[in-house]
Amino acid sequence: EPEVTQTPSHQVTQMGQEVILRCVPISNHLYFYWYRQILGQKVEFLVSFYNNEISEKSEIFDDQFSVERPDGSNFTLKIRSTKLEDSAMYFCASSEEPGGDNEQFFGPGTRLTVL
Amino acid sequence: KQEVTQIPAALSVPEGENLVLNCSFTDSAIYNLQWFRQDPGKGLTSLLLIQSSQREQTSGRLNASLDKSSGRSTLYIAASQPGDSATYLCAVNPSWGKLQFGAGTQVVVTP
Repeated sequence: EPEVTQTPSHQVTQMGQEVILRCVPISNHLYFYWYRQILGQKVEFLVSFYNNEISEKSEIFDDQFSVERPDGSNFTLKIRSTKLEDSAMYFCASSEEPGGDNEQFFGPGTRLTVL
Repeated sequence: KQEVTQIPAALSVPEGENLVLNCSFTDSAIYNLQWFRQDPGKGLTSLLLIQSSQREQTSGRLNASLDKSSGRSTLYIAASQPGDSATYLCAVNPSWGKLQFGAGTQVVVTP
């Protein structure tokens, strides 16, 4: 069964460093998303992406964050200068279409630890 | 502003009992509602999606209902098993694509 994959599973970085989290969405899906979950808190929406553009972003998704689809299969989230409060589990998701009867399918997540 | 609440936060039942998990949301303007399962330290597994026009959706031992006008959804899990132990999350789709999550109900099914 097709699934969303994410690499790495765990990333440790120093405060102020740049990190890139990678995702491979399900191949026939057109809409891609990033969410994060700080330990013990709710899953929070970061950004949605379609046709090489950001469709919607949350207040969390400030200028330190960017997303890109560098080729036909990968979808990346970049954090330019990490902060301690960026430590969280980051989930990538994809769907065929947004809304309606289109489920979002999630990857296993990347645990980001900022020291 | 949309708020999603799940009560109770934690639930423990003996094996074989039926589980009833509740989700409420404050704004009925949603496209759909999705139920997920999350195991500790793992990703989210989609269980069921109910479109805003539907009242109910079933998959095996799982049944989810949606009452959009009152802002409620209920997930029923019949004849619970220890393998059902996990955190169950509901999420509403208030705008085109974005999901907004509740905090989850942590379920323990004891043998």
